[in-house]
Amino acid sequence: EVQLEESGGGLVQPGGSLRLSCAASGFTFSTYWMSWVRQAPGRGLEWVANIKQDGSEQYSVDSVKGRFSISRDNAKNSLYLQMNSLRAEDTAVYYCARYQRWETSWLFDLWGRGILVTVSS
Amino acid sequence: SYVLTQPPSVSVAPGQTARVTCGGNNIGDKSVHWYQQKPGQAPLLVIYYDSDRPSGIPERFSGSNSGNTATLTIIRVEAGDEADYYCQVWDSSSDHPVFGGGTKLTVL
Repeated sequence: EVQLEESGGGLVQPGGSLRLSCAASGFTFSTYWMSWVRQAPGRGLEWVANIKQDGSEQYSVDSVKGRFSISRDNAKNSLYLQMNSLRAEDTAVYYCARYQRWETSWLFDLWGRGILVTVSS
Repeated sequence: SYVLTQPPSVSVAPGQTARVTCGGNNIGDKSVHWYQQKPGQAPLLVIYYDSDRPSGIPERFSGSNSGNTATLTIIRVEAGDEADYYCQVWDSSSDHPVFGGGTKLTVL
């Protein structure tokens, strides 16, 4: 079965760090771009970061630049998000998603169930 | 950066047609993708490239895109279609994906 499963979420104090993981299965992980997308409580979807198949290119939204780092281990079929200097506004469900180019556009064609990150003292 | 505008809510009776709009400057020049998110669940791609349906998505779901508005249309709406719907484009100027704010579809 094709799936993505996130882990590593939880409660962390402001200024703290957390590392999210995403385990991929059922497809050739190393041939896809991957992403993290988050959703704050009661809010909409917000793209967080992307990484190329071989990890050589990473992009992120301005609000997390310098604090969050996306990486991957193709040998382990895993995607990661290292989150440092966490703020209350980073509280959200974080989704791992497969990022696919379609003609002149990009879309998210496979999503994990999501993992909750709560930043609070 | 590019902004997508969706109405916060749309209500429709069962069996009727629901239309969810997504507004953006010359959005007709971009490819629009639509996601369905039911409570407590991950988003699911229901329309891509304006009007194509992934395998497994009912034919009741369709999409269109022209001018400054893209539209997701659901005919013969069922109770199970009640969900939040998000449009998404790729913004070439920032090289980033952008989501609309989402529309809550309520089946009366």
